[in-house]
Amino acid sequence: AQRVTQPEKLLSVFKGAPVELKCNYSYSGSPELFWYVQYSRQRLQLLLRHISRESIKGFTADLNKGETSFHLKKPFAQEEDSAMYYCALSPDRGSTLGRLYFGRGTQLTVWP
Amino acid sequence: DVKVTQSSRYLVKRTGEKVFLECVQDMDHENMFWYRQDPGLGLRLIYFSYDVKMKEKGDIPEGYSVSREKKERFSLILESASTNQTSMYLCASSLPAGWNEQFFGPGTRLTVL
Repeated sequence: AQRVTQPEKLLSVFKGAPVELKCNYSYSGSPELFWYVQYSRQRLQLLLRHISRESIKGFTADLNKGETSFHLKKPFAQEEDSAMYYCALSPDRGSTLGRLYFGRGTQLTVWP
Repeated sequence: DVKVTQSSRYLVKRTGEKVFLECVQDMDHENMFWYRQDPGLGLRLIYFSYDVKMKEKGDIPEGYSVSREKKERFSLILESASTNQTSMYLCASSLPAGWNEQFFGPGTRLTVL
């Protein structure tokens, strides 16, 4: 069974501080990992995905298969980063079904 | 530039009513999904569809059904609404294959009294 765990429900940092949102997963195959973000009063949207190897809005995420983690990091947090962040897993990159398993989310607050 | 739309932003229904939530996407996506979003529980998949008239149960299908008669439209039906179905409902669509981005609608906040 697939499972995505985000151990922190709430996370607060000050502006300019580094931030790391943790995500651990359990799956024995070759999953695809994503981070989705929901800003206040906006729809849920993709922030980044492992396969793209992108850095979006200064965020990066490294897939650590040994530790089965996909932590989201940013060296200098900004107030506009305050949002709900969801880690998600797709069990099989090639599957046409394309369903995702989401973690429970981490609410990030960046204080001025 | 709206790509996924949901029929209602807010909806209030009474216990026992039949409720229809509509979702339309204009991106010609094969896959469509219905989630419910609850604080502390994240997003949970109710049903999804990978083609017209095709559907698969998600993790919490009990009390719900779906309909996909046209590619662009995916409906969620609450056969007999109950108070524990009060929630935010999100629709999403994507191209096939697991690495593709899901595009989400704005959500429907349903309250069942």
